[in-house]
Amino acid sequence: KAGVTQTPRYLIKTRGQQVTLSCSPISGHRSVSWYQQTPGQGLQFLFEYFSETQRNKGNFPGRFSGRQFSNSRSEMNVSTLELGDSALYLCASSRAQGSGNTIYFGEGSWLTVV
Amino acid sequence: QQQVKQSPQSLIVQKGGIPIINCAYENTAFDYFPWYQQFPGKGPALLIAIRPDVSEKKEGRFTISFNKSAKQFSLHIMDSQPGDSATYFCAASPNYGGSQGNLIFGKGTKLSVKP
Repeated sequence: KAGVTQTPRYLIKTRGQQVTLSCSPISGHRSVSWYQQTPGQGLQFLFEYFSETQRNKGNFPGRFSGRQFSNSRSEMNVSTLELGDSALYLCASSRAQGSGNTIYFGEGSWLTVV
Repeated sequence: QQQVKQSPQSLIVQKGGIPIINCAYENTAFDYFPWYQQFPGKGPALLIAIRPDVSEKKEGRFTISFNKSAKQFSLHIMDSQPGDSATYFCAASPNYGGSQGNLIFGKGTKLSVKP
């Protein structure tokens, strides 16, 4: 069974540009969430989608957005990139909503903003 | 503010030792406490998880101890091996009316197991 797949794995963008990251959840999983990981702030929750609807959002500016498609695949977008957006962006999926559903992470997309 | 405090930041043990990583939380709405292991260049992988109605849970060499009244939980790794060298994260999840909410992570503990 394939795990959570994220593309691209590595990318370099210039300040002010925008970026779109993609995530394919584990087959059968309908909940997708996104996290940002940095050395300073650690792992921070960005947002969660279930059945194409955003169910929860972390404390990030509106430049960070996402969506989920009918096949559960998800994308996140960061507009007007800042140097501080350089991070590992992790997508995670779980079978359903509800605390206690095991959350599986992908290997992440490494974003460098120069 | 929802927070999970994790200590120590780093830990070095000899092979066969029992590293212990501690976490504390404040929000009593948390009802699910997983531990994740992360190797360099990889995403976090679930190790073991516990709910607050259980005081201890063992899976292989990994044990979670949970103290609900103190709002603390810890991870013990029995007979640690060099292959256990990784960063470990504790996390907590709130249950808001059945929603998954989100995972709130501790800052992580970098474990090094010396041969």
